[in-house]
Amino acid sequence: DAGVTQSPTHLIKTRGQQVTLRCSPKSGHDTVSWYQQALGQGPQFIFQYYEEEERQRGNFPDRFSGHQFPNYSSELNVNALLLGDSALYLCASSPTGGGTEAFFGQGTRLTVV
Amino acid sequence: AQSVAQPEDQVNVAEGNPLTVKCTYSVSGNPYLFWYVQYPNRGLQFLLKYITGDNLVKGSYGFEAEFNKSQTSFHLKKPSALVSDSALYFCAVRDIHTGGFKTIFGAGTRLFVKA
Repeated sequence: DAGVTQSPTHLIKTRGQQVTLRCSPKSGHDTVSWYQQALGQGPQFIFQYYEEEERQRGNFPDRFSGHQFPNYSSELNVNALLLGDSALYLCASSPTGGGTEAFFGQGTRLTVV
Repeated sequence: AQSVAQPEDQVNVAEGNPLTVKCTYSVSGNPYLFWYVQYPNRGLQFLLKYITGDNLVKGSYGFEAEFNKSQTSFHLKKPSALVSDSALYFCAVRDIHTGGFKTIFGAGTRLFVKA
């Protein structure tokens, strides 16, 4: 079992550009959540996808959007990048159920210059 | 609104001594509580969770945590620390009242275990 895989591992973008990050969940998991972890901080919940729909969203602007595909994989899109978007972006997958623990990928380190 | 507080940025302990990493939470309903550990350049690894039942939960690598509803705390403990336990620890909470989908993490506590 490959666990949760994210791509790419590192990315450098220029302000104003758009970026797409990808996540493949752990086998058997149908729920994917995305988090932003700024340096020295805890992960911040961006949104969660289940059955190809956004189920819940954190306090992030509309520049952050996502998608979930029928095979449960997911994408995070960020438009009009700002310097403050530089962070580690973590994907986490879990089976259905509020009490289940999430399994995290190693993250994508995004640097906006 | 949900929130999690980890009052200590850093905890230092000698190898072989017991360790405690503190966590308090705030939710409108009943909580699901979690502890995760993060090693450098890695994602988060699940340690343990409290959903319901026994207030003392046991997890991976000899860690345990005690749920205290009256003090709204969920402190992480280990009877005897190892140098390899040095890492960044995060407490997290989900609010069952709002469906339990959104996980809120604390700011993290860095644990240093000295040989």
